[in-house]
Amino acid sequence: QKEVEQNSGPLSVPEGAIASLNCTYSDRGSQSFFWYRQYSGKSPELIMSIYSNGDKEDGRFTAQLNKASQYVSLLIRDSQPSDSATYLCAVPNQAGTALIFGKGTTLSVSS
Amino acid sequence: EAQVTQNPRYLITVTGKKLTVTCSQNMNHEYMSWYRQDPGLGLRQIYYSMNVEVTDKGDVPEGYKVSRKEKRNFPLILESPSPNQTSLYFCASSLRRRQDTDTQYFGPGTRLTVL
Repeated sequence: QKEVEQNSGPLSVPEGAIASLNCTYSDRGSQSFFWYRQYSGKSPELIMSIYSNGDKEDGRFTAQLNKASQYVSLLIRDSQPSDSATYLCAVPNQAGTALIFGKGTTLSVSS
Repeated sequence: EAQVTQNPRYLITVTGKKLTVTCSQNMNHEYMSWYRQDPGLGLRQIYYSMNVEVTDKGDVPEGYKVSRKEKRNFPLILESPSPNQTSLYFCASSLRRRQDTDTQYFGPGTRLTVL
């Protein structure tokens, strides 16, 4: 069974700073990686997906993938209080029938 | 509006009283799934469905049943709920059957308490 590990946090950053969230995974064969954001009491929503080594940028968000080291990270530039949420890292299981989620990292952005 | 809906959103019940949580999507998605989310354990898959009349167990299926008689609906049935099924439940759907490259869209969640 694949495993996805995240530091639970909380990670606290001031408004305008860069927030860096990390995720490691156990299966070297994993090819797809997803970052979901979950506000307290709400459902997860996809914010980034990444499939290739390197960086993928979307607005203030950058996903970074390093398959050799088996980690994927999410950078949030110019962090805003509205970014305060739990960020979930996920990879598909081997059969492609489910996403395996990490337990999430809670981010708190203070104004 | 494209969405996944769940009902009820909140439910308090007693041990042994059968209940159904409904899930419906209006995006013509092939794949649907149920997850439960518990503090310290994260999101775990209960059941999934790749197509009408095709369902299979996820990681934590004990005590649950599902059905997929129509493409849009995927109800979760607890025949005899127990307190350890107290949790936050999410239904999710995605366009394609395999989850390697697809986006899963989550419903708003159902908070269930079993006394």
